[in-house]
This record gives sequence, C-alpha cells and structure tokens, in this order.
Amino acid sequence: AQTVTQSQPEMSVQEAETVTLSCTYDTSESNYYLFWYKQPPSRQMILVIRQEAYKQQNATENRFSVNFQKAAKSFSLKISDSQLGDTAMYFCAFIYSGAGSYQLTFGKGTKLSVIP
Amino acid sequence: GAVVSQHPSWVICKSGTSVKIECRSLDFQATTMFWYRQFPKQSLMLMATSNEGSKATYEQGVEKDKFLINHASLTLSTLTVTSAHPEDSSFYICSARRQDTGAFFGQGTRLTVV
Repeated sequence: AQTVTQSQPEMSVQEAETVTLSCTYDTSESNYYLFWYKQPPSRQMILVIRQEAYKQQNATENRFSVNFQKAAKSFSLKISDSQLGDTAMYFCAFIYSGAGSYQLTFGKGTKLSVIP
Repeated sequence: GAVVSQHPSWVICKSGTSVKIECRSLDFQATTMFWYRQFPKQSLMLMATSNEGSKATYEQGVEKDKFLINHASLTLSTLTVTSAHPEDSSFYICSARRQDTGAFFGQGTRLTVV
C-alpha cells in the first residue's frame, strides 16, 4: 500500500518570499503520478502541479516548482514570490499510473499562511 | 485541465430524509470516480471507489446501505445519503480519474442535516 507523509502541519511565509513544502511517499510501484493540490477556504481542490514518475525533469508551473527525488521518494513543492492568495491547505498525493481503479492517496496536508 | 462538476455545492436537509449528490466529468470519460468525506481541518477520507457499470467498492467502516453510489455512465456518478442524520453533516467531494493525467476534483458539497 502507498503512504504519503507531509511532516509540516503548518507553515508561514512572508509575502514575496519563497517557501518549500515537504512530502515523502512510500511505494513499491515504479510508474505513478505525484500531485500537489491546493485547498483554499472555499474547499475546492485545485491541482497545482503534477509530476510523472518516469520523467526526471522537475515539473514547473509559473511560481510553483517541485523537487522530485525518485530514489529518495521525496516530492517537495517550492512556491516562489508568495502571494496572499497562496494561503491554503496543500495536499501531496500519489496515484498509480497503470490501468485500474487505483485510488489517490493523500498526505495529511500542510496549512500555509502567507503574511503580508 | 479537465473539468469535474459536482452538484449541489450546498444542501440542508431534515433528519431522516435522503440527499443525492451528483458528480459529472464534463470533458472526459471517467471509468473511475472516487467519493471522499472531509472533516474540518483534516485530509480527505476516501469513502468509496465507483466504477462505471459495476458496484462501488467501499472502504472499511463506510456503510454501503447508507451511502449509495451509482455510476451509471462514463461521465456521471451519484452519491445518495439515505436517512440522513446530523452526524452525516460534512463536506463531501468527488474526483474523477482521467487515465492519462490523474484525478480531478469537483467543487465539493457541504451537507448540513438538521
């Protein structure tokens, strides 16, 4: 079974600064996807960034980038130039990329507060 | 990204009545959909996995007779909370799996049972 661990329950960052959220996972699979989802107070789950395990290059989406270390099973999220709208819960998630109804496994989340 | 629509976003019902929540994938076919429940300040708890044309697979501790799931087509899954009670009040959220790119979420439904 897969497990996803987010070791930082809460974090804060000054507006315009950079922050890194940690995530580690455990799996015996070799082909999978990793995600970071953002859940603002509206509670809508918003996909921030996605990484395919077979790709060595780290994914980037504007101010968001990941540091994917497959051997270490680590998948951290870096937010640059933090904005007030980045305040939210952030969940790291894993899903097997093969066929079948494999479930999305979530970490417990990190509450990020951006301070003006 | 892919679009998943969940309806209603907010519902209040009387204790003992049933409530149906719909989850639709608008621009892709989803053979698998997932239903989650989220308590305040907690992560999402998987309730069941819904496969098109077959019975849903429920997680341990989830009452299948209380939380009826139907996945009648490749774009629609429904969750019916039967004989709802105040302890069923929660935030329910669905996600639809798109095989090549992962899972996408609906907007969630806030259920309040009075």
